[in-house]
Amino acid sequence: SYDLTQPLSVSVALGQTASITCGGNTIGSKNVHWYQQKPGQAPVLVIYRDNNRPSGIPERFSGSNSGNTATLTISRAQAGDEADYFCQVWHSIAVVFGGGTKLTVL
Amino acid sequence: QVQLQESGPGLVKPSEPLSLTCAVSGYSIISDYYWGWVRQPPGQGPEWIGNIDHNGNTYYNPSLKSRLTISVDTSKNQFSLKLSSVSAADTAVYYCARVATVHTYYFDSWGQGTLVTVSS
Repeated sequence: SYDLTQPLSVSVALGQTASITCGGNTIGSKNVHWYQQKPGQAPVLVIYRDNNRPSGIPERFSGSNSGNTATLTISRAQAGDEADYFCQVWHSIAVVFGGGTKLTVL
Repeated sequence: QVQLQESGPGLVKPSEPLSLTCAVSGYSIISDYYWGWVRQPPGQGPEWIGNIDHNGNTYYNPSLKSRLTISVDTSKNQFSLKLSSVSAADTAVYYCARVATVHTYYFDSWGQGTLVTVSS
């Protein structure tokens, strides 16, 4: 099996930059996708294939992936960005999700 | 714009099968996309269940494979999930989603989800 490790929580001051990491063995060789989930709602894709934004996702959301760590970066954080964020990869024959990171905007 | 809607019982007894259907609107299920199921136990992260393409080719989570059947009905533009012999560990919000398949797999559109509770 393949494990993805995310910090349980990340805090960011309003207007500042938040970085959420996703660790995995040679994850840099895989395509990483990120989802935002607000309470009581379905996940929403915010980054696909490491650094691509679906239409409708603000440019403030960006991604990178190298070595053993992928990172979701949220610039100029807003109160509305407060949510759980999950990374996801395809490994071998299975979809794997990270455990999720709760982003708090202070 | 694609829309997905899950339907099925919200309460299932232990050892009985869980059956859900996902109706797809605004997009043909006959496409290059796959169609998938993801579940999320209360307070936990998502867990992939499995995917299917419009030809009925399936891709299952190995941990669920022995109990799982995913099928597609192209005439109704919908796909379905059946999980046999459920237990309390199968209690979760179940989501259906469209699966993009270019070089990898990811879920670009999701249904709203349906809570399934396993309890007697």
